[in-house]
Amino acid sequence: GAVVSQHPSWVICKSGTSVKIECRSLDFQATTMFWYRQFPKQSLMLMATSNEGSKATYEQGVEKDKFLINHASLTLSTLTVTSAHPEDSSFYICSALSGSSYEQYFGPGTRLTVT
Amino acid sequence: AQKVTQAQTEISVVEKEDVTLDCVYETRDTTYYLFWYKQPPSGELVFLIRRNSFDEQNEISGRYSWNFQKSTSSFNFTITASQVVDSAVYFCAPRGNNRKLIWGLGTSLAVNP
Repeated sequence: GAVVSQHPSWVICKSGTSVKIECRSLDFQATTMFWYRQFPKQSLMLMATSNEGSKATYEQGVEKDKFLINHASLTLSTLTVTSAHPEDSSFYICSALSGSSYEQYFGPGTRLTVT
Repeated sequence: AQKVTQAQTEISVVEKEDVTLDCVYETRDTTYYLFWYKQPPSGELVFLIRRNSFDEQNEISGRYSWNFQKSTSSFNFTITASQVVDSAVYFCAPRGNNRKLIWGLGTSLAVNP
């Protein structure tokens, strides 16, 4: 089956620093990738949609200068949280949409803690 | 409007009981997909089922079954003979033509031994 990986699985960083999260589709090409954020005991919140080779589309209320998304290839998208603050601590999940089947596959998530 | 209502926030059952998780959705699309996902404590989402809006045939897969009623916009999920490993948060999520999943608040299921 299709596999999506995320790296790192967890990260602790200091306030003010930036952290990059990678999302890779391992055995299929993903024309579209989605980035979600999930706070404890809450639902998934879509942050942005990224299409390979073009700028990401951000959902209302999500700061594009703070959450930089790059989808440089059909198998890799990255989310960079810039100048992280404790309120950015959350569980970040990516999903990849297969270009051939239009099925959506989820990564295992990255737990970010900003101290 | 596009939204999902999972009215049951938390459910607690004893092992071997049957449990039904309710899902009511609203979508402006005439064709769409409906999904159920499970999120165990590890956080990784586990795909359970996808249903096309044209296909109202109910489905059974092992201990799981789904009841799709398009007329009432409901897509309920039943676990028969629940097990402790079924403890998780369950999400119902429709997906329309824009390929974005619409997430409900989820139902937290606790199966106690």
